[in-house]
Amino acid sequence: QSALTQPASVSGSPGQSITIPCTGTRSDIGNYQLVSWYQQHPGKAPKLLIFEVSNRPSGISNRFSGSKSANTASLTISGLRAEDEADYYCLSYTTSATFVFGGGTKLTVL
Amino acid sequence: EVQLLQSGGGLVQPGGSLRLSCAASGFTFSSYGMGWVRQAPGKGLEWVSSISASGSRTYYADSVKGRLTVSRDNSENTLFLEMSDLRVGDTALYYCAKDRKATPAGEVDHWGQGTLVTVST
Repeated sequence: QSALTQPASVSGSPGQSITIPCTGTRSDIGNYQLVSWYQQHPGKAPKLLIFEVSNRPSGISNRFSGSKSANTASLTISGLRAEDEADYYCLSYTTSATFVFGGGTKLTVL
Repeated sequence: EVQLLQSGGGLVQPGGSLRLSCAASGFTFSSYGMGWVRQAPGKGLEWVSSISASGSRTYYADSVKGRLTVSRDNSENTLFLEMSDLRVGDTALYYCAKDRKATPAGEVDHWGQGTLVTVST
């Protein structure tokens, strides 16, 4: 199972919005609503931001939103803040009854 | 408060074996899917394995199938990962992961502190 495809890096200025795409295939993202997103700061465990494509766990800011179209899922962060600088990963269930992460995207807040 | 306390990592030679444990508290362990996620030094996250709440269903990444075995003891609130035939490429920080659902859905809402496994001569 190949990793989902994410850009290695994205950047934005405080207050702006950015979108991180996560591209898979009909065997994963395109076939299921089980897509989640994680934020990881250096030296820390990941944190769940989005589950089931677009749902936020309690306590997660509504500045984070998720969506999906065909084989591509996306995470949008609005009103960028310095503390949003981190690595972001998507995760999807697959038709092989496995899960697969994206390669990760490093967000830099300029 | 949910707590996942990991133990069992360390240095092992290629071909060797190791057992990781994850002691859970603060929630009804037998009601939630659990799993393992690893991260090689300086690299991204890699899903390793998951197990359903009852333990009846297990899931493995192709890279570890046949070498790593996930299990759980719901009477002791503990998750295990038995690792055998270890390879240099298995070197990583291993995280214990609690899913939001009984059947693993890739929705990890709590993580262990991580335990380092180093496979080297």
